[in-house]
Amino acid sequence: AQSVTQLDSQVPVFEEAPVELRCNYSSSVSVYLFWYVQYPNQGLQLLLKYLSGSTLVESINGFEAEFNKSQTSFHLRKPSVHISDTAEYFCAVRDNFNKFYFGSGTKLNVKP
Amino acid sequence: DTGVSQDPRHKITKRGQNVTFRCDPISEHNRLYWYRQTLGQGPEFLTYFQNEAQLEKSRLLSDRFSAERPKGSFSTLEIQRTEQGDSAMYLCASGIWGGNTEAFFGQGTRLTVV
Repeated sequence: AQSVTQLDSQVPVFEEAPVELRCNYSSSVSVYLFWYVQYPNQGLQLLLKYLSGSTLVESINGFEAEFNKSQTSFHLRKPSVHISDTAEYFCAVRDNFNKFYFGSGTKLNVKP
Repeated sequence: DTGVSQDPRHKITKRGQNVTFRCDPISEHNRLYWYRQTLGQGPEFLTYFQNEAQLEKSRLLSDRFSAERPKGSFSTLEIQRTEQGDSAMYLCASGIWGGNTEAFFGQGTRLTVV
């Protein structure tokens, strides 16, 4: 069975500081991992994904995540956050039936 | 293509009434998913379709919940005899079976049962 754990429900950080949002997964099958971002009263938007190949994946707005098989983790990082990054972030795993399982989310609050 | 579309965006209903939500997926996508999201939680899987076939419905929350995708295009999610605990955001997503793609989400329908 697949499951996703996001250990931090809220992460406050000052603008231009680095941030890491943690995600751990359990999966008995091949691993496909995703990070989604959700703004208030909106649906989820894909931030980045790991399907195969390089374990470090990047988004167009400066986020990156590294797939670590031995630690079953897929932490999301950004070296310098902006006010506009304030949102809720969800880690997800996809199983071999193309069903997606989500963590409980981490609210990133970027303060000036 | 304008992405996944959900209608309505907001619905307020009285307890005991029936409600129906519609989802129009991205046109070439053969997979369609329904999720429920409550405050402070991640999306919770409800059911999904491959074209018009409903592949799993055991995760639907009760027999008051049902979903259809009659022609393999748009889908509807119906909740009968709504209860206050049904208040949530209902999210629809679509994707491609077998493709290296993510699920593409609509903006959701927020249901409030009063």
